[in-house]
Amino acid sequence: DIVMTQTPLSSPVTLGQPASISCRSSQSLVHSDGDTDLSWLQQRPGQPPRLLIYKISNRFSGVPDRFSGSGAGTDFTLKISRVEAEDAGVYYCMQATQLPYTFGQGTKLEIK
Amino acid sequence: QVQLQQSGPRLVKPSQTLSFTCAISGDSVSSNSAAWNWIRQSPSRGLEWLGRTYYRSKWYTDYAESVKSRISINPDTSKNQFSLQLNSVTPEDTAIYFCARQPNDVLPGGDAFDIWGQGTMVTVSS
Repeated sequence: DIVMTQTPLSSPVTLGQPASISCRSSQSLVHSDGDTDLSWLQQRPGQPPRLLIYKISNRFSGVPDRFSGSGAGTDFTLKISRVEAEDAGVYYCMQATQLPYTFGQGTKLEIK
Repeated sequence: QVQLQQSGPRLVKPSQTLSFTCAISGDSVSSNSAAWNWIRQSPSRGLEWLGRTYYRSKWYTDYAESVKSRISINPDTSKNQFSLQLNSVTPEDTAIYFCARQPNDVLPGGDAFDIWGQGTMVTVSS
């Protein structure tokens, strides 16, 4: 199975400041078709996860443009340009390149 | 607007079978452009993908090895839903269970989980 490792596990961020979360996979996520199926999800307390970014850098419908994704191969990053109060929650990376699909452990974003 | 509505028990006894359904509105379980997944979440295991079903001229299923001997995911075209059955449950199966849609590669949200059910917390206890 592909292991997804996120850092940090907890990130206190001041309102209006940028935030960055890293995700590393135990093997390359480049699919045989050339795509890289790495996505980012946000989960607020008591809610299901919500898709933010798919295929490394594509923002999903309705996701604010302060969220961006980057990376390649085994190293990926989610950035929030200016954190807002509603961004508090846990963020997960997920790979869908190879079965079984796997998730990172989650990074808790705390707004100061 | 696509929505997934989950239903199922919240308390199951050890050794019994856990059963959930995920009713789809705004899309079709028989769509050639999506797969239909089950995921669970627990403090000890985090988010864990359990399996999926999808239709591409015929029905396919894939299961996680960790539950392969105990799991069954089935489509129900008459009700436009899909189901999860997990047999011989133990307290280790206590978790929040989610269903989720996975659109095709070339569509928005491609190959990610773009729509999620509301989740159901299940406790396995006697």
